[in-house]
Amino acid sequence: AQSVTQLDSQVPVFEEAPVELRCNYSSSVSVYLFWYVQYPNQGLQLLLKYLSGSTLVKGINGFEAEFNKSQTSFHLRKPSVHISDTAEYFCAVTLIQGAQKLVFGQGTRLTINP
Amino acid sequence: ETGVTQSPTHLIKTRGQQVTLRCSSQSGHNTVSWYQQALGQGPQFIFQYYREEENGRGNFPPRFSGLQFPNYSSELNVNALELDDSALYLCASSLELGRSYEQYFGPGTRLTVT
Repeated sequence: AQSVTQLDSQVPVFEEAPVELRCNYSSSVSVYLFWYVQYPNQGLQLLLKYLSGSTLVKGINGFEAEFNKSQTSFHLRKPSVHISDTAEYFCAVTLIQGAQKLVFGQGTRLTINP
Repeated sequence: ETGVTQSPTHLIKTRGQQVTLRCSSQSGHNTVSWYQQALGQGPQFIFQYYREEENGRGNFPPRFSGLQFPNYSSELNVNALELDDSALYLCASSLELGRSYEQYFGPGTRLTVT
């Protein structure tokens, strides 16, 4: 079975500061990795994904993430955050074969302070 | 291009009742997945439909059932509602099983069971 651990339930940062949201996963088989963002009272929006190739992937809104196979991590980063980045962020994995079910972490609430 | 839509937006039901939630997938998408997101948690996979057939199921009891129609829209039915069924129910569609791993989420239906 697969599992995802998001190491921080809440991350407060000041506007224009850098941020890193941490994600570790566990799986005995190869997986694909995703980061989703959820704004208040909305569904999930895909930020970025890692399927193969370069381990540094860039997504929307200036976010990027680095896949580290040896550490089974997929941390999300942004060099300078804005008030509009306030949201819940979810890391997720899916198996390459079979039903493409997403297994999500518990989420990290990112709060941007002015 | 129309995104994933869900209806209704909100719903209040009494314990023991039955409920049907509806989802219209994004144009051209033939795979639909349903997720349950309890308050403060990450989404949990309920099941997936591909070309009108169930293609995988999470750890949910049989009183959670679904359908996918020829136009690839979908329904989630829950019988004998329990208080713990109160959650945001998310529908996600994807382009083609095994070819695209991106899932596009609708805004969700918030179900409250009293």
